[in-house]
Amino acid sequence: DVKVTQSSRYLVKRTGEKVFLECVQDMDHENMFWYRQDPGLGLRLIYFSYDVKMKEKGDIPEGYSVSREKKERFSLILESASTNQTSMYLCASSIQVGRAKNIQYFGAGTRLSVL
Amino acid sequence: DAKTTQPPSMDCAEGRAANLPCNHSTISGNEYVYWYRQIHSQGPQYIIHGLKNNETNEMASLIITEDRKSSTLILPHATLRDTAVYYCIVLSGNYKLTFGKGTLLTVNP
Repeated sequence: DVKVTQSSRYLVKRTGEKVFLECVQDMDHENMFWYRQDPGLGLRLIYFSYDVKMKEKGDIPEGYSVSREKKERFSLILESASTNQTSMYLCASSIQVGRAKNIQYFGAGTRLSVL
Repeated sequence: DAKTTQPPSMDCAEGRAANLPCNHSTISGNEYVYWYRQIHSQGPQYIIHGLKNNETNEMASLIITEDRKSSTLILPHATLRDTAVYYCIVLSGNYKLTFGKGTLLTVNP
C-alpha cells in the first residue's frame, strides 16, 4: 500500500515563528502536493512538485514556500506563521503518467494552530 | 473542469447498499469521473474512477450513464466505517483536485 506520512498530526506555533511541515512518501511517486483544508472552503492547493527541486504554485501560495531535495520528501514552510494560517494541512502524492496522476494518495493531515 | 452537484447528505442502514449520485451535466469527452472520500479527521482517500464504462474494484462500483451527465457510486454492503464525506470530481489531465462540499454519508446500525 502507498504510504504518505506527515511528520505531525497536531502542531501549535506562535505568530511569527518559522514552521516546517514534512511529508514523506514511499512509492517513488514523481508528484507531490500540499493542500490546506478549511471549513466551508474545501481543499485548496498550495504548491505542487513534479520532480526533485521542481515546484509550481497552486491556488494559494502566498505566505508559503516548499522544498523538494529528495524524491520522497516534500516540505512546506511557513516563513512567518500568522493566525490565518491555522488550518488542516494535507500532503499527497501521485505518479506522473496519464490519468493515474489524478489518483492522489493523502497523508493523515497536520492540524496547525497558530496563536 | 466540469462542475459537479451532489446531495449534501444521505443515510444508509448498515449492510445495505449505499448509492451516491452525482450530476456532471457539463462533462466533456476527455474528462474522467473520480470519487474520493474523507473520513472524519483523516486525509481524503481515492475510491474509484471511470470514463464511460462501469467500473468495479474492491471498494465500490461506479455506474456512469450513457450520456455521461451523471454517475452513481455504489458501496454494496455499507458498514459503519463507511461513514464519511464522499466527493465526486470530474477531471481531464489536470492534476489539480478540487473538492466541493460532497455528500455526507451516515451509515446507521
